[in-house]
Amino acid sequence: KQEVTQIPAALSVPEGENLVLNCSFTDSAIYNLQWFRQDPGKGLTSLLLIQSSQREQTSGRLNASLDKSSGRSTLYIAASQPGDSATYLCAVPISSGSARQLTFGSGTQLTVLP
Amino acid sequence: EPEVTQTPSHQVTQMGQEVILRCVPISNHLYFYWYRQILGQKVEFLVSFYNNEISEKSEIFDDQFSVERPDGSNFTLKIRSTKLEDSAMYFCASNLDWTDTQYFGPGTRLTVL
Repeated sequence: KQEVTQIPAALSVPEGENLVLNCSFTDSAIYNLQWFRQDPGKGLTSLLLIQSSQREQTSGRLNASLDKSSGRSTLYIAASQPGDSATYLCAVPISSGSARQLTFGSGTQLTVLP
Repeated sequence: EPEVTQTPSHQVTQMGQEVILRCVPISNHLYFYWYRQILGQKVEFLVSFYNNEISEKSEIFDDQFSVERPDGSNFTLKIRSTKLEDSAMYFCASNLDWTDTQYFGPGTRLTVL
């Protein structure tokens, strides 16, 4: 059974700092990995999807890397801003049926202090 | 930009009552999902739907739950007889292909009293 773990559970940094969020998964036979942002009481906003054939994916100040063999992904946020404060979730699809439901980590709650 | 929409945003119901949560997935998407998130816990998969039938369902999705795509745009989740433990945020998601990004709606907060 696929298990997804995210550390740290919470992180507080001063504005402007670069930071790294970690995600690990137990079954390396994944098709892709998706990073989401969740604001309190809100839905999930997709940030990046990184395919299993890719090593990195970038969007603005965000960069996601994927190392399937070690079962790890990282989300790098450059020059953090208070508006980046949110919970960041990673998720991997499970292979079953025609669709591919996602298994989520518990998230890292990020606070960027002004 | 196309987005997944959900109604209502908040639903309060009495235990034992039926509720229907509604979703409008992105129009050209083919795969549809329901997830839920109990307060303070992980997002959990409930059910996936493709080609007008359930593709996969979790242990949570028992006989009290059902899904339907009554027309070309709506995707609904029905809970027949709600329990206190059904209180959660319910998210609908869709994607064009199973390899693609899943796009999530804003969620419906269900409170069962």
